[in-house]
Amino acid sequence: DGGITQSPKYLFRKEGQNVTLSCEQNLNHDAMYWYRQDPGQGLRLIYYSQIVNDFQKGDIAEGYSVSREKKESFPLTVTSAQKNPTAFYLCASSATAPSTEQFFGPGTRLTVL
Amino acid sequence: RKEVEQDPGPFNVPEGATVAFNCTYSNSASQSFFWYRQDCRKEPKLLMSVYSSGNEDGRFTAQLNRASQYISLLIRDSKLSDSATYLCVVKERYTGRRALTFGSGTRLQVQP
Repeated sequence: DGGITQSPKYLFRKEGQNVTLSCEQNLNHDAMYWYRQDPGQGLRLIYYSQIVNDFQKGDIAEGYSVSREKKESFPLTVTSAQKNPTAFYLCASSATAPSTEQFFGPGTRLTVL
Repeated sequence: RKEVEQDPGPFNVPEGATVAFNCTYSNSASQSFFWYRQDCRKEPKLLMSVYSSGNEDGRFTAQLNRASQYISLLIRDSKLSDSATYLCVVKERYTGRRALTFGSGTRLQVQP
Protein backbone atom coordinates (compact mmCIF):
# COMPACT_ATOMS: atom_id res chain seq x y z
CA ASP A 1 0.00 0.00 0.00
CA GLY A 2 1.27 3.46 -0.86
CA GLY A 3 1.40 6.04 1.87
CA ILE A 4 3.36 7.98 4.44
CA THR A 5 4.63 6.48 7.65
CA GLN A 6 5.86 8.30 10.71
CA SER A 7 7.51 6.76 13.69
CA PRO A 8 7.19 6.57 16.54
CA LYS A 9 3.56 7.45 17.24
CA TYR A 10 4.40 8.68 20.74
CA LEU A 11 7.78 9.94 21.90
CA PHE A 12 8.94 11.10 25.29
CA ARG A 13 12.21 12.90 25.82
CA LYS A 14 13.97 14.76 28.58
CA GLU A 15 14.51 18.47 28.25
CA GLY A 16 17.82 19.29 26.56
CA GLN A 17 17.95 16.16 24.41
CA ASN A 18 17.83 16.20 20.63
CA VAL A 19 15.31 13.87 19.05
CA THR A 20 14.78 12.77 15.45
CA LEU A 21 11.35 12.03 14.01
CA SER A 22 11.09 9.68 11.06
CA CYS A 23 9.02 10.25 7.92
CA GLU A 24 9.00 7.86 4.96
CA GLN A 25 6.82 7.87 1.84
CA ASN A 26 6.47 5.40 -1.01
CA LEU A 27 4.24 7.58 -3.17
CA ASN A 28 7.15 8.69 -5.36
CA HIS A 29 6.39 12.29 -4.38
CA ASP A 30 9.02 14.96 -4.97
CA ALA A 31 7.89 17.33 -2.20
CA MET A 32 7.79 16.69 1.53
CA TYR A 33 6.78 18.87 4.47
CA TRP A 34 6.93 19.04 8.25
CA TYR A 35 4.24 20.74 10.29
CA ARG A 36 3.69 21.30 13.97
CA GLN A 37 0.23 21.42 15.51
CA ASP A 38 -0.48 22.65 19.03
CA PRO A 39 -3.81 22.07 20.82
CA GLY A 40 -6.62 24.11 19.28
CA GLN A 41 -4.34 25.55 16.64
CA GLY A 42 -3.73 25.06 12.96
CA LEU A 43 -0.75 23.54 11.24
CA ARG A 44 2.41 25.60 11.19
CA LEU A 45 5.05 24.86 8.57
CA ILE A 46 8.49 24.00 9.92
CA TYR A 47 10.48 22.95 6.84
CA TYR A 48 9.73 21.74 3.35
CA SER A 49 11.65 20.11 0.56
CA GLN A 50 10.79 20.35 -3.12
CA ILE A 51 13.38 17.86 -4.26
CA VAL A 52 16.15 15.60 -2.97
CA ASN A 53 19.11 17.43 -1.41
CA ASP A 54 17.17 20.68 -1.16
CA PHE A 55 14.99 22.13 1.61
CA GLN A 56 13.68 25.51 2.76
CA LYS A 57 12.70 26.96 6.09
CA GLY A 58 9.03 27.37 6.81
CA ASP A 59 7.42 29.74 9.29
CA ILE A 60 8.84 28.27 12.51
CA ALA A 61 12.18 26.64 11.60
CA GLU A 62 14.15 27.82 14.64
CA GLY A 63 15.25 24.92 16.80
CA TYR A 64 14.63 22.33 14.08
CA SER A 65 16.78 20.75 11.38
CA VAL A 66 16.05 18.43 8.45
CA SER A 67 17.80 16.47 5.74
CA ARG A 68 16.65 15.11 2.40
CA GLU A 69 19.23 12.61 1.23
CA LYS A 70 16.69 10.25 -0.30
CA LYS A 71 13.44 10.95 -2.10
CA GLU A 72 11.53 8.68 0.26
CA SER A 73 12.81 10.08 3.54
CA PHE A 74 12.61 13.47 5.28
CA PRO A 75 13.64 13.16 8.94
CA LEU A 76 13.12 16.05 11.36
CA THR A 77 15.43 16.70 14.30
CA VAL A 78 14.04 18.66 17.22
CA THR A 79 17.05 20.20 18.91
CA SER A 80 17.51 21.46 22.44
CA ALA A 81 17.29 25.00 21.03
CA GLN A 82 13.56 24.56 20.42
CA LYS A 83 11.92 26.30 23.39
CA ASN A 84 8.56 24.51 23.42
CA PRO A 85 9.00 21.21 21.59
CA THR A 86 5.98 19.39 23.02
CA ALA A 87 3.50 19.16 20.14
CA PHE A 88 1.93 16.97 17.46
CA TYR A 89 4.25 16.71 14.45
CA LEU A 90 2.84 15.93 11.03
CA CYS A 91 4.77 14.98 7.92
CA ALA A 92 3.21 15.37 4.48
CA SER A 93 4.11 14.86 0.85
CA SER A 94 2.83 16.00 -2.50
CA ALA A 95 3.64 15.15 -6.09
CA THR A 96 5.05 18.62 -6.65
CA ALA A 97 5.47 21.81 -4.63
CA PRO A 98 3.22 23.65 -4.34
CA SER A 99 0.56 21.07 -4.89
CA THR A 100 -3.17 20.83 -4.99
CA GLU A 101 -3.16 18.05 -2.44
CA GLN A 102 -0.91 17.01 0.38
CA PHE A 103 -1.02 13.55 1.91
CA PHE A 104 -0.28 13.33 5.60
CA GLY A 105 1.30 10.71 7.79
CA PRO A 106 -0.39 9.68 11.06
CA GLY A 107 1.78 12.05 13.11
CA THR A 108 4.13 11.80 16.08
CA ARG A 109 3.18 13.17 19.49
CA LEU A 110 6.33 14.45 21.16
CA THR A 111 6.32 15.17 24.86
CA VAL A 112 9.35 16.74 26.46
CA LEU A 113 9.49 16.17 30.18
CA ARG B 1 -3.58 39.52 10.91
CA LYS B 2 -3.60 35.80 10.16
CA GLU B 3 -3.33 34.78 6.53
CA VAL B 4 -6.25 32.39 6.83
CA GLU B 5 -8.89 32.95 9.51
CA GLN B 6 -11.65 30.67 10.70
CA ASP B 7 -14.18 30.71 13.51
CA PRO B 8 -12.89 28.00 15.87
CA GLY B 9 -16.39 27.00 16.98
CA PRO B 10 -17.45 24.57 18.21
CA PHE B 11 -20.56 24.40 16.11
CA ASN B 12 -22.97 22.08 17.92
CA VAL B 13 -25.78 20.95 15.62
CA PRO B 14 -28.37 18.15 15.71
CA GLU B 15 -28.30 15.31 13.21
CA GLY B 16 -29.98 16.31 9.97
CA ALA B 17 -29.19 19.99 10.35
CA THR B 18 -27.53 22.18 7.74
CA VAL B 19 -24.40 23.99 8.88
CA ALA B 20 -22.08 26.45 7.14
CA PHE B 21 -18.54 27.57 7.85
CA ASN B 22 -16.74 30.57 6.44
CA CYS B 23 -13.06 31.23 6.07
CA THR B 24 -11.36 34.49 5.11
CA TYR B 25 -7.93 34.88 3.54
CA SER B 26 -5.73 37.96 3.45
CA ASN B 27 -3.66 37.48 0.29
CA SER B 28 -5.64 38.57 -2.75
CA ALA B 29 -3.14 36.71 -4.95
CA SER B 30 -4.14 33.38 -3.44
CA GLN B 31 -4.56 30.88 -6.20
CA SER B 32 -6.33 27.77 -4.98
CA PHE B 33 -8.50 26.83 -2.05
CA PHE B 34 -9.37 23.63 -0.25
CA TRP B 35 -11.19 22.18 2.69
CA TYR B 36 -9.45 19.49 4.72
CA ARG B 37 -11.04 17.44 7.45
CA GLN B 38 -9.19 16.44 10.62
CA ASP B 39 -10.59 13.96 13.09
CA CYS B 40 -9.56 14.20 16.72
CA ARG B 41 -5.88 13.31 17.17
CA LYS B 42 -5.55 12.23 13.53
CA GLU B 43 -3.95 13.62 10.41
CA PRO B 44 -5.79 16.03 8.06
CA LYS B 45 -7.28 14.65 4.86
CA LEU B 46 -8.49 16.48 1.77
CA LEU B 47 -12.27 16.89 1.79
CA MET B 48 -12.70 18.91 -1.37
CA SER B 49 -11.20 21.59 -3.55
CA VAL B 50 -13.02 24.90 -3.96
CA TYR B 51 -13.59 26.11 -7.50
CA SER B 52 -14.48 29.62 -8.61
CA SER B 53 -17.88 28.53 -9.84
CA GLY B 54 -18.65 26.64 -6.65
CA ASN B 55 -18.77 22.88 -6.41
CA GLU B 56 -20.73 20.16 -4.73
CA ASP B 57 -19.83 16.69 -3.54
CA GLY B 58 -22.81 14.87 -2.14
CA ARG B 59 -23.94 16.69 1.00
CA PHE B 60 -21.01 19.11 0.86
CA THR B 61 -20.97 22.38 -1.09
CA ALA B 62 -17.99 24.70 -1.32
CA GLN B 63 -18.06 28.26 -2.61
CA LEU B 64 -15.50 30.96 -3.28
CA ASN B 65 -16.00 34.72 -3.16
CA ARG B 66 -12.83 36.33 -4.50
CA ALA B 67 -14.15 39.89 -4.19
CA SER B 68 -14.68 39.48 -0.45
CA GLN B 69 -11.84 37.00 -0.05
CA TYR B 70 -13.69 34.21 1.65
CA ILE B 71 -14.61 30.62 1.05
CA SER B 72 -17.43 28.65 2.56
CA LEU B 73 -18.37 25.06 3.26
CA LEU B 74 -21.99 23.98 3.58
CA ILE B 75 -22.91 20.59 5.01
CA ARG B 76 -26.48 19.40 4.52
CA ASP B 77 -28.22 16.64 6.46
CA SER B 78 -25.43 16.43 9.05
CA LYS B 79 -24.39 12.97 10.22
CA LEU B 80 -22.75 12.01 13.49
CA SER B 81 -19.73 10.99 11.41
CA ASP B 82 -19.33 14.57 10.20
CA SER B 83 -18.06 15.55 13.66
CA ALA B 84 -14.51 16.76 13.07
CA THR B 85 -12.43 19.87 12.61
CA TYR B 86 -12.61 21.44 9.16
CA LEU B 87 -9.47 23.22 7.98
CA CYS B 88 -9.53 25.96 5.38
CA VAL B 89 -6.43 25.77 3.18
CA VAL B 90 -5.00 28.24 0.67
CA LYS B 91 -2.33 27.95 -2.00
CA GLU B 92 -0.68 31.25 -2.73
CA ARG B 93 0.60 32.46 -6.07
CA TYR B 94 3.60 34.56 -6.95
CA THR B 95 5.35 34.12 -3.62
CA GLY B 96 8.42 32.22 -2.62
CA ARG B 97 6.32 30.06 -0.37
CA ARG B 98 5.84 26.77 -2.10
CA ALA B 99 3.54 25.21 0.46
CA LEU B 100 -0.08 25.37 1.50
CA THR B 101 -1.31 27.69 4.27
CA PHE B 102 -3.70 26.15 6.79
CA GLY B 103 -6.31 27.87 8.90
CA SER B 104 -6.72 26.92 12.55
CA GLY B 105 -9.90 25.00 11.83
CA THR B 106 -13.57 25.05 12.76
CA ARG B 107 -14.78 22.29 15.05
CA LEU B 108 -18.12 20.66 14.29
CA GLN B 109 -19.96 18.47 16.76
CA VAL B 110 -23.07 16.74 15.44
CA GLN B 111 -25.34 15.54 18.21
CA PRO B 112 -27.94 12.75 18.16
